[in-house]
Amino acid sequence: DIVMTQSPLSLPVTPGEPASISCRSSQSLLHSNGYNYLEWYLQKPGQSPQLLIYLASHRPSGVPDRFSGSGSGTDFTLKISRVEAEDVGVYYCMQTLQTPAFTFGPGTTVDIK
Amino acid sequence: QVQLVQSGAEVKKPGSSVRVSCKASGGSFSSYAVGWVRQAPGQGLEWMGGIISVIDTANYAPKFQGRVTITADESTSTAYMELNSLRSEDTAVYYCARGILTSIEAPGSVYYYYMDVWGKGTTVTVSS
Repeated sequence: DIVMTQSPLSLPVTPGEPASISCRSSQSLLHSNGYNYLEWYLQKPGQSPQLLIYLASHRPSGVPDRFSGSGSGTDFTLKISRVEAEDVGVYYCMQTLQTPAFTFGPGTTVDIK
Repeated sequence: QVQLVQSGAEVKKPGSSVRVSCKASGGSFSSYAVGWVRQAPGQGLEWMGGIISVIDTANYAPKFQGRVTITADESTSTAYMELNSLRSEDTAVYYCARGILTSIEAPGSVYYYYMDVWGKGTTVTVSS
């Protein structure tokens, strides 16, 4: 299985300031078609997960543009340009390269300082 | 806006089976995929498997292969996840999610999809 790691595991943030989370995979997630099969999810307290980014850098409609994803191969980053109070929760990356053995990272807990 | 309505909480005995339903309210699954993810108490997310109804194809995470069955009934816009031979470690919240199909290849499968709408989860407790 592809092992996903995230850092940091805990991230205190200040509203209005930027924040970033790193995600690394044990194998490259770059396919020969040029896409990186990496997704980002946010699970707010007491809620279901919600999709933020797919294919490493694509933002679905309805996701605020303060969220952006970048990276390729084994190293990926989720950036929040200006953190808002509603962004607290646990952020997960997930690889979807190895069908059907998709795997999530351990999660990064973001809270307000 | 489609919503996914999941069935209610279940309490099961070890060795038994559970079937969780996921109904698309305001839409259907006919042109979508459905994925299933679970979350044990205080733990992270775990992928279980998914189904693409339009090509009648389901795939399962190796950990659950042989113990889980995912189906979809297009006539009722309802997807199901059945897990057999339950043990205490299966105690978790089970989520379904609608997958948006794309024309992009999915490695090892047919269509890549991303999960954009999630149900609220179904709590399954396995206890003797």
